Amino acid sequence: DQQVKQNSPSLSVQEGRISILNCDYTNSMFDYFLWYKKYPAEGPTFLISISSIKDKNEDGRFTVFLNKSAKHLSLHIVPSQPGDSAVYFCAASSISGGSNYKLTFGKGTLLTVNP
Amino acid sequence: NAGVTQTPKFRVLKTGQSMTLLCAQDMNHEYMYWYRQDPGMGLRLIHYSVGEGTTAKGEVPDGYNVSRLKKQNFLLGLESAAPSQTSVYFCASSSHRGQGQPQHFGDGTRLSIL
Repeated sequence: DQQVKQNSPSLSVQEGRISILNCDYTNSMFDYFLWYKKYPAEGPTFLISISSIKDKNEDGRFTVFLNKSAKHLSLHIVPSQPGDSAVYFCAASSISGGSNYKLTFGKGTLLTVNP
Repeated sequence: NAGVTQTPKFRVLKTGQSMTLLCAQDMNHEYMYWYRQDPGMGLRLIHYSVGEGTTAKGEVPDGYNVSRLKKQNFLLGLESAAPSQTSVYFCASSSHRGQGQPQHFGDGTRLSIL
């Protein structure tokens, strides 16, 4: 039973365009969401997060949108750069449920940004 | 600033052998975690610890044991390795201060069981 789903295994975009990575969740107890980026042969690195009390969080070229009613979040990268090519993981936790330290990860989406 | 360091980076074992993976963090974090990553499966939590001397089971704990004797170290043990344990293992740590603290990951240990 997958609680965090990233239904697109891969995404390819042109440099300079927008990349949109999607994530859906089923557990209504999740109230904190994170995106991680992973390069080959390296560990995941934290990118951006959002609390369920917000519907948008922005950090430079990266923006995360949360639609609680649809249990859906998305990561927008504008403009996309070749160095953004990596696997992106969506993760969720339940702070109100007392499990703020445990993350449930999606399977990841491989983003390729073509020059 | 080392962050989270995993030892070794690569290892090949024969079925039935045992080994210990070491994770060390220098950020004074209370929480530590072990994950495995398999193709098409994302990251799955094996065991975690919320402080020195504590451990708890995650999503896929069978076949593994852990110990947290020192705050900065979290050990993952395989007592009798099986081919199904061939995977990339990641250790992570996070702070207990505040809410929603992100986890910081090491670069992984690639383990092959023949």
